[in-house]
Amino acid sequence: EDQVTQSPEALRLQEGESSSLNCSYTVSGLRGLFWYRQDPGKGPEFLFTLYSAGEEKEKERLKATLTKKESFLHITAPKPEDSATYLCAVHDIYKFYFGSGTKLNVKP
Amino acid sequence: DVKVTQSSRYLVKRTGEKVFLECVQDMDHENMFWYRQDPGLGLRLIYFSYDVKMKEKGDIPEGYSVSREKKERFSLILESASTNQTSMYLCASSFNTRGETQYFGPGTRLLVL
Repeated sequence: EDQVTQSPEALRLQEGESSSLNCSYTVSGLRGLFWYRQDPGKGPEFLFTLYSAGEEKEKERLKATLTKKESFLHITAPKPEDSATYLCAVHDIYKFYFGSGTKLNVKP
Repeated sequence: DVKVTQSSRYLVKRTGEKVFLECVQDMDHENMFWYRQDPGLGLRLIYFSYDVKMKEKGDIPEGYSVSREKKERFSLILESASTNQTSMYLCASSFNTRGETQYFGPGTRLLVL
C-alpha cells in the first residue's frame, strides 16, 4: 500500500503559467511532511517542512500547504530554472516514506 | 548550512569487487541514512544509523553492510558488487528521528560492470 502518492507524474508548463503539484498521504501519526527539489544527477535539495494541517511555507515562487490528507506545492509564474523533479516525503512515527516525484518542465 | 558530502560522484567497478562509499556530515546530526535511487522505483532505504556504532536495516539491506565508527561518518559497503547494484546512492542525515528534516548529499552514481 502506497503511503505517499504524487501527481501528476510529469507536468509541462509555459513560463509564467502557474500550477500546483499534489502529494497525498495515508500515514497516521504524521510527524512531518517534506518537499525536496532534485535536479538530474544530483541529490535532493531540501525546500520545506510542514508539521500540521493548515500550515503554509513560502520560498520565492514556491508555496507549500498542508491538510490532513495532502499537501500542495504551488508554483507561481514559474521560470525555466524551476524545471526539476519535486519529491514529497512524509515521516510517521516509524520512518520516512518518499513519493515517486513530479517531473516539472517549464518552457520559455 | 548543513553540508553532507560523499566521497565520489562517479564510480565504475567490476563484478565481485568490494566497494566502499563514504558519507560525511558537518552538523553533528545523530542520524544518517543510505538510500539508492532507481528510475521507476524512487528512493529506497538501505540502512540507517541513529548513533555511533548503531545500525538498523532498511527496506533493501541485502548485499550491503554499513559502518559508523564516528558520528560524522557513515560508510556503505558492497561486499561483492553485482550488476544489479548499479544505481545512484544517496546519503542523508538528520538531527533526530522525531520528524526532523533529512538533508542529502550530492549522490554517487555507481556502475558495476
